[in-house]
Amino acid sequence: EPEVTQTPSHQVTQMGQEVILRCVPISNHLYFYWYRQILGQKVEFLVSFYNNEISEKSEIFDDQFSVERPDGSNFTLKIRSTKLEDSAMYFCASTTVTGELFFGEGSRLTVL
Amino acid sequence: AQSVTQLGSHVSVSEGALVLLRCNYSSSVPPYLFWYVQYPNQGLQLLLKYTSAATLVKGINGFEAEFKKSETSFHLTKPSAHMSDAAEYFCAASNDYKLSFGAGTTVTVRA
Repeated sequence: EPEVTQTPSHQVTQMGQEVILRCVPISNHLYFYWYRQILGQKVEFLVSFYNNEISEKSEIFDDQFSVERPDGSNFTLKIRSTKLEDSAMYFCASTTVTGELFFGEGSRLTVL
Repeated sequence: AQSVTQLGSHVSVSEGALVLLRCNYSSSVPPYLFWYVQYPNQGLQLLLKYTSAATLVKGINGFEAEFKKSETSFHLTKPSAHMSDAAEYFCAASNDYKLSFGAGTTVTVRA
């Protein structure tokens, strides 16, 4: 069964460093998303991406964040200069037109 | 914007007892509705979804949910809890390809 894959599964970084989280969505999907879950809190929407551009972003998704689909298969989330409060589980998701999002296993980011 | 409310952040049930997790959505247009389960240190797994077909939806692991438009609800049930059902459960609603999650309900199962 096709699935969304994310790498790395866990990344530890120093505050102020750049981080890139990678995702390979399901191949025929058209909409891509990043969500974030801070430990013990709800899953929060960060950004959606369609037709090679951001279609919607939340207020969490500030100038420190960016997304890219560099090669038609990968979908990346970059955090330019990480802060302690960026520590969270980051989930990538993709969908076709049914509205059902398929999630990856998540990438745990720990900022020290 | 769509919002999803889950009543009760924590539910504790005995093994074999009914599991009932409540979810209400705010939308005049019924969205697509989903329940996801998250086991410790794992990702989000889809339990079931409502996409405007049958109002009673059956999912994996014996769970089901009933869509009630008049109550804007999509409560999740399982007749008989199993120890393996201990997890975090998230209700979610989708409009225009954006999924909004409820705050989650942690289920613990007592032997």
